[in-house]
Amino acid sequence: IAGITQAPTSQILAAGRRMTLRCTQDMRHNAMYWYRQDLGLGLRLIHYSNTAGTTGKGEVPDGYSVSRANTDDFPLTLASAVPSQTSVYFCASSDSQGQDTQYFGPGTRLTVL
Amino acid sequence: GQNIDQPTEMTATEGAIVQINCTYQTSGFNGLFWYQQHAGEAPTFLSYNVLDGLEEKGRFSSFLSRSKGYSYLLLKELQMKDSASYLCAVREHGQGGKLIFGQGTELSVKP
Repeated sequence: IAGITQAPTSQILAAGRRMTLRCTQDMRHNAMYWYRQDLGLGLRLIHYSNTAGTTGKGEVPDGYSVSRANTDDFPLTLASAVPSQTSVYFCASSDSQGQDTQYFGPGTRLTVL
Repeated sequence: GQNIDQPTEMTATEGAIVQINCTYQTSGFNGLFWYQQHAGEAPTFLSYNVLDGLEEKGRFSSFLSRSKGYSYLLLKELQMKDSASYLCAVREHGQGGKLIFGQGTELSVKP
């Protein structure tokens, strides 16, 4: 069992380009989350999904979009990347529509030049 | 909204005990989590408190006082591998499973 996987591990991207970060979990968890982690700011929630077919905005959603077509996958898209989106991105999932502990993927380190 | 405060960094000696504090302000508390994060890695779950009192799990314990908006993580018999960032996170009622994280406390364990 892999748990949660993220791809790519790291990426350098030119400003203005479109980028999709992938997240897949095999635990059949209902809820999934995307966070960014920046030095001095901690983990901040970008978007979340409590169950397949539904999504919601977190603390810092601007410039990002998500979809939840099925239980396992929760991709995060940057439509037109900007340097301020340089960060480490973590995907997480939890059971019981978010009432249980969140478990994190290994992260994607994104640099926007 | 929520506000979560933790010390930015702490230093302790191998074999000692260290207490990492977390204070929070929330409109509808529904649980507090502690995570450990080693440099360059993902956060990993340590403990969960929703009722007042102490939860013990091996060398790690976590305490919660809801009336004071206060929690601490206690690490005993410190080992070098305990050098990491420790994240406090709070969940609110009516917000699904969304967590609000503090900035984390960077713990350095010295020989």
